[in-house]
This record gives sequence, structure tokens and C-alpha cells, in this order.
Amino acid sequence: KAGVTQTPRYLIKTRGQQVTLSCSPISGHRSVSWYQQTPGQGLQFLFEYFSETQRNKGNFPGRFSGRQFSNSRSEMNVSTLELGDSALYLCASSLQTSSYEQYFGPGTRLTVT
Amino acid sequence: AQSVSQHNHHVILSEAASLELGCNYSYGGTVNLFWYVQYPGQHLQLLLKYFSGDPLVKGIKGFEAEFIKSKFSFNLRKPSVQWSDTAEYFCAVNARGGGFKTIFGAGTRLFVKA
Repeated sequence: KAGVTQTPRYLIKTRGQQVTLSCSPISGHRSVSWYQQTPGQGLQFLFEYFSETQRNKGNFPGRFSGRQFSNSRSEMNVSTLELGDSALYLCASSLQTSSYEQYFGPGTRLTVT
Repeated sequence: AQSVSQHNHHVILSEAASLELGCNYSYGGTVNLFWYVQYPGQHLQLLLKYFSGDPLVKGIKGFEAEFIKSKFSFNLRKPSVQWSDTAEYFCAVNARGGGFKTIFGAGTRLFVKA
């Protein structure tokens, strides 16, 4: 069974731009969660989508948004990029909800200059 | 607020030494507990999990963890580490009291000397 895939793997953007990251979960998984990983903060929860509905949201500004499609694929968008948004963005999928084990993708490394 | 604390940020051990990594969480109620591991250059992957039942759970590669409810702890152990255990280890908690968000600890970087 194929794992969680994330595209693109690397991205360089300029302050003020916006970016969209994509995540394809494991086939049959209905939950997709997004995390921001930085050396100083570890993994910070962004949001979780389950069956196209946002189930949970972390403490991030409204510039961070996401959605999930009927095939469970998910996208997250960051508008008006700031230098501090530079991070590894991880996507994780779960068969049910994220209350159970999650399977992580390789991440998208975003650099904001 | 929901939080997960990992006591050691960096641990250096020699091969065959015993390992214990501490993890404490901040709220009561029913919890689902996890340890994830990230080997160099690899994805985060599940090491072991606790949902209910026997508080001593066994995971992959000889790791185990003990859930002590009274201490709000879920410490990871391995009796004899190998060089290949060099990785970053993350404790994670999901609970009704936390709105069912999975919250991760800051991680512990383990380096095992051959």
C-alpha cells in the first residue's frame, strides 16, 4: 500500500506570497492532519480534516487554512507568507480520526525569503 | 492548556546501555498515548501506542513504554540500545480534554555511540 505523499517536497517563496501544499493520504484513510515542524518548536498541530470537515484547529493565525476533498486528499494554504513560516510541513493520515495512530508523509520544506 | 513534556532534549548513550525517555502530559481523563520515532532522513513513524488495558506496552525494535496514570507519565524504555536507534523520539497525546488534538512533545534526540 502506498504511503502518504506530499507535494512539492521543497519550496522557496518570498515574503508576502501565498503557497499551497498538497497531501495524498493512504488509500482508505479518512483523516488528514497537518503539522508545522521547526527546530525550536517541535511539531505544532495546524488542523485536522475528517470526511471533508475540519475536525480540529490549532493555534495558528487565519493565514493558515486547509481543505479536504471527497477523495480524502488535502491541501493547506498559507497566505501573506512571513519569514517565520519557514518550516517543514508534515501531513499525517489516519484510518479513522487522529485519535488513533497516524502515518506521516515526508513533509514539504518551505523556505520564505 | 494541553501540554506534553519530554524531559531530555538530547541523550547520548553507548551501545548496550539502557534507555529511558521521560514523557509527562498535563491533563486528566482518558488519553491515547503514542511514541513516534524519526530516524535520520526518514519519515516519522509509530513506535508504540497505548489506548487501554495493560499499561505496559511493547512496540517495534524492542522498545516498551509504561503508562502510569497517577503520574501522568508514559516513559519509553529499551534495555539495550543499538547504534541504529540513533533518532529523534517524540511523545504524543490525544485526549478528550484536549479536544482530541494530538499534541506532541518537543522531542528527544538520541545519539548512540558505537
